[in-house]
Amino acid sequence: AQRVTQPEKLLSVFKGAPVELKCNYSYSGSPELFWYVQYSRQRLQLLLRHISRESIKGFTADLNKGETSFHLKKPFAQEEDSAMYYCALGGTNAGKSTFGDGTTLTVKP
Amino acid sequence: DVKVTQSSRYLVKRTGEKVFLECVQDMDHENMFWYRQDPGLGLRLIYFSYDVKMKEKGDIPEGYSVSREKKERFSLILESASTNQTSMYLCASSWGTGWYTGELFFGEGSRLTVL
Repeated sequence: AQRVTQPEKLLSVFKGAPVELKCNYSYSGSPELFWYVQYSRQRLQLLLRHISRESIKGFTADLNKGETSFHLKKPFAQEEDSAMYYCALGGTNAGKSTFGDGTTLTVKP
Repeated sequence: DVKVTQSSRYLVKRTGEKVFLECVQDMDHENMFWYRQDPGLGLRLIYFSYDVKMKEKGDIPEGYSVSREKKERFSLILESASTNQTSMYLCASSWGTGWYTGELFFGEGSRLTVL
């Protein structure tokens, strides 16, 4: 069975500090991993996906198959980054995507 | 831009009532999903559908049913609402064929309160 673990429910950093949101997964096949973000009063939306290997809003995430991790990083956090972040595992598991429990990031001024 | 529209943003129902949550997407996506979002529990999949009239149970299907009569529309039905079904319900759609699911596009959510 596939599983996604986000160990931190809450994460608080100061503006300008680096931030890392952790995500670990378990999956026997070839994983396809995503980070979704939900800003206050907005719909859940894709932030980035591992296969695109791009930086969105200064965030990056690298798939580490050896450690089965897909941590989300940003070198300098901004107040507008405050949101709920979900790591998700998609791909070929009978059409299902599995989400972690989410991490609420608060960036303090 | 993909648009996933959920018919009701807020609903208040009484225990035992039948509840319909409607979702429509306009991008001709094959796959549609209903998730439940609860604090500290993340998103849990209730049901999904990969084609018209096809449905598959997710992780928490008990107390729910779904209907997909047209490709663009996916309905979630609570036959007899209970207080433990008070939650935020999210509809999503994605391109996909067979067993594959890519990026999910979400609706704004329907917040259901069962009294």
